[in-house]
Amino acid sequence: GAGVSQSPSNKVTEKGKDVELRCDPISGHTALYWYRQSLGQGLEFLIYFQGNSAPDKSGLPSDRFSAERTGGSVSTLTIQRTQQEDSAVYLCASSSGRRSNTGELFFGEGSRLTVL
Amino acid sequence: TQLLEQSPQFLSIQEGENLTVYCNSSSVFSSLQWYRQEPGEGPVLLVTVVTGGEVKKLKRLTFQFGDARKDSSLHITAAQPGDTGLYLCAGARSIFSNAGKSTFGDGTTLTVKP
Repeated sequence: GAGVSQSPSNKVTEKGKDVELRCDPISGHTALYWYRQSLGQGLEFLIYFQGNSAPDKSGLPSDRFSAERTGGSVSTLTIQRTQQEDSAVYLCASSSGRRSNTGELFFGEGSRLTVL
Repeated sequence: TQLLEQSPQFLSIQEGENLTVYCNSSSVFSSLQWYRQEPGEGPVLLVTVVTGGEVKKLKRLTFQFGDARKDSSLHITAAQPGDTGLYLCAGARSIFSNAGKSTFGDGTTLTVKP
């Protein structure tokens, strides 16, 4: 697609429920990133994909968080047994992954998660 | 851990004033990006700086990368209400491998009053 697409844009859930957040990167971008942002703050790295592999998942806060990417395209971030501290905006970004890339990221509009 | 510290955290100024935002680290980055984010949207890339001492201009915005590639600044001349937003700096570890995440600062929230 023309840009990075994320869904849902807003999700309200009850504590203990599982949620899935989806990211559709820019067509042809091989690198995909998930970040988390609390209100008005900077971005906290969660996980990075190169193709379907995740060479860096060091930012996942706990084993309740997991992510996968299939077909080198769409990625899903799953949060199991949600807690109130999981409330945040989850941002997905993609980049071309070419050797000449200088680290520029293209972001989606984010999925705002609210855990009651 | 590579940390990027931004200052000030909040900045509220009148239209027409000049301002500078700083991004500092004790680590060396291969490249550094500046993004602007508006409420309800994702960050949008403004500029990438790669060479130590590099200066880039984008209309009223001037970006500078420190000689040692550890720090950067963003200067806005004659700020306008449309400049309002959250400004984020981000450092990338490697140009050539693109292997891994960028490290983001906590951001500077700029409000420009008409």
